[in-house]
Amino acid sequence: SQTIHQWPATLVQPVGSPLSLECTVEGTSNPNLYWYRQAAGRGLQLLFYSVGIGQISSEVPQNLSASRPQDRQFILSSKKLLLSDSGFYLCAWRPGTHSNQPQHFGDGTRLSIL
Amino acid sequence: AQKVTQAQTEISVVEKEDVTLDCVYETRDTTYYLFWYKQPPSGELVFLIRRNSFDEQNEISGRYSWNFQKSTSSFNFTITASQVVDSAVYFCALSEAKNAGNMLTFGGGTRLMVKP
Repeated sequence: SQTIHQWPATLVQPVGSPLSLECTVEGTSNPNLYWYRQAAGRGLQLLFYSVGIGQISSEVPQNLSASRPQDRQFILSSKKLLLSDSGFYLCAWRPGTHSNQPQHFGDGTRLSIL
Repeated sequence: AQKVTQAQTEISVVEKEDVTLDCVYETRDTTYYLFWYKQPPSGELVFLIRRNSFDEQNEISGRYSWNFQKSTSSFNFTITASQVVDSAVYFCALSEAKNAGNMLTFGGGTRLMVKP
């Protein structure tokens, strides 16, 4: 069966420091991959999605970036974190085919910027 | 452009009450998919149900039921005999078949609090 792993679970970083969050999927090939951010008490905002290795689409302008170096690996990065980057970050995957399939989410990373 | 509206931001009920969470959507696509997710306090999103636009049959799964009505662009979720473990934020979401990345558009979520 397919599983999604996301780490770290929690992270406290100072303003201006770099960021790297990692997400990996097991048990499937060529998945679509997604990064979302959820501010406290708010809904989900799609940040990036990828339909294949090296293919990244950005949904909102920000100081974050994403990369997909391998088929089942999706990385969210920043060179310099801002206070506004605080939030709950969720990675998700779905099969690359069959557009009616749901997305499945990782456990999330709680990021606090000090 | 697609849009999902969950007008109820917060609902509070007493255990064993029935509760309905509303979801209204907008889309120009004739083929689309609707989803409900549950986000418990631990934070992960749990997939509950998918409904295709061409299938208006309602569905029941234990205490959960879903009412899909294309005429009113609604996909409401009812929990019968609510329990404390149902306390969570519930999200309704839409995906259009023509959407290149199969992206989901989420509603703002409804926080359900079930009190003992």
